[in-house]
Amino acid sequence: NAGVTQTPKFQVLKTGQSMTLQCAQDMNHEYMSWYRQDPGMGLRLIHYSVGAGITDQGEVPNGYNVSRSTTEDFPLRLLSAAPSQTSVYFCASSYNYRNTEAFFGQGTRLTVV
Amino acid sequence: DAKTTQPPSMDCAEGRAANLPCNHSTISGNEYVYWYRQIHSQGPQYIIHGLKNNETNEMASLIITEDRKSSTLILPHATLRDTAVYYCIVRVGGGADGLTFGKGTHLIIQP
Repeated sequence: NAGVTQTPKFQVLKTGQSMTLQCAQDMNHEYMSWYRQDPGMGLRLIHYSVGAGITDQGEVPNGYNVSRSTTEDFPLRLLSAAPSQTSVYFCASSYNYRNTEAFFGQGTRLTVV
Repeated sequence: DAKTTQPPSMDCAEGRAANLPCNHSTISGNEYVYWYRQIHSQGPQYIIHGLKNNETNEMASLIITEDRKSSTLILPHATLRDTAVYYCIVRVGGGADGLTFGKGTHLIIQP
């Protein structure tokens, strides 16, 4: 049981490039989400999903796309990277009931130059 | 989700109890109090949650006032590894469908 796995751990992109941050969980959780954390700040919600085929926007969705084709995977796509997207990205998952705890991955540190 | 207020930082001596306060005066009757912590830029870690009764687990205790407008997270015997940012979150559920993280309290355990 690996929990929530994020890849890659580190990434440097040039402005305008696109890439996909991967997130996988092996706990059969229905809920998954993506957050970003800028220096000295709390986490801000980008997108979330309450089940396969269902996604919704969070607080800061612009510049990001998500899809949820399987229960296990919830990739985050940067369409055209910008320096403002330099951040640490965290993926989280939880069981289908809302009154429960969320499990977080170890993060992807992204730098856009 | 109800708004929470936490002190930006606190110190505690190693081996002593660390008491972290959180104000949530606008909490609704069906909202729970959740605590997470983040150690040195790792992913946040769930600690404990409660509705109105005091709760205890292997990591911490949660004391919620009778009017539910504030709570205290207690780490009974703090160690250096408890140095982290602690987040108090108030919402109906604690699942990964949208937790609102403020700036939290940076707890520093002093040797």
